[in-house]
Amino acid sequence: NAGVTQTPKFRVLKTGQSMTLLCAQDMNHEYMYWYRQDPGMGLRLIHYSVGEGTTAKGEVPDGYNVSRLKKQNFLLGLESAAPSQTSVYFCASSYFGSDRGNQPQHFGDGTRLSIL
Amino acid sequence: AQSVAQPEDQVNVAEGNPLTVKCTYSVSGNPYLFWYVQYPNRGLQFLLKYITGDNLVKGSYGFEAEFNKSQTSFHLKKPSALVSDSALYFCAVREGSARQLTFGSGTQLTVLP
Repeated sequence: NAGVTQTPKFRVLKTGQSMTLLCAQDMNHEYMYWYRQDPGMGLRLIHYSVGEGTTAKGEVPDGYNVSRLKKQNFLLGLESAAPSQTSVYFCASSYFGSDRGNQPQHFGDGTRLSIL
Repeated sequence: AQSVAQPEDQVNVAEGNPLTVKCTYSVSGNPYLFWYVQYPNRGLQFLLKYITGDNLVKGSYGFEAEFNKSQTSFHLKKPSALVSDSALYFCAVREGSARQLTFGSGTQLTVLP
């Protein structure tokens, strides 16, 4: 059971380039999330999805787009990368459950992205 | 709006001693509180949660946390620390109507042998 898998694990981009980060989960979870982690700032939510075909903005959505065409996949796109987007990106998923969203989130191991 | 604060960036404790990692929160309704742990180059792992009921919550690896509504706190505790407990710990909160968690800035716990 792989859980949450993120690809790639590392990437270096030049300013202005675009790329897509891939997240896949095999737990049949309804909810999926993209976070960025920066030193001293904890995790900040970029976008999230409560189901296939549905996405919503989080705390820091500017400069990012997402898509959830299949329940098991959640894609994060950077259309024109900027140095401020240098960060570690984490994908997470959770089961909705009868207690309405209080199930634990399961995290991937992150994508380390540097923008030069 | 929901928010959470972890007032200590770093906590050092000797192996075998009790440990406490502090967390305070702010919500407008009922809080749902979580603790996660992160080891180097890994994603976060769930430790425990408070939803309702008993104020003392027990979780994984011998950790527990005490919910204190009057002090709006949810401190993480362990009676006897292990060197292997050294990691980055995050507190998170969700208020009743919100769909997402808000994480604290994290506390680096170092257990000294």
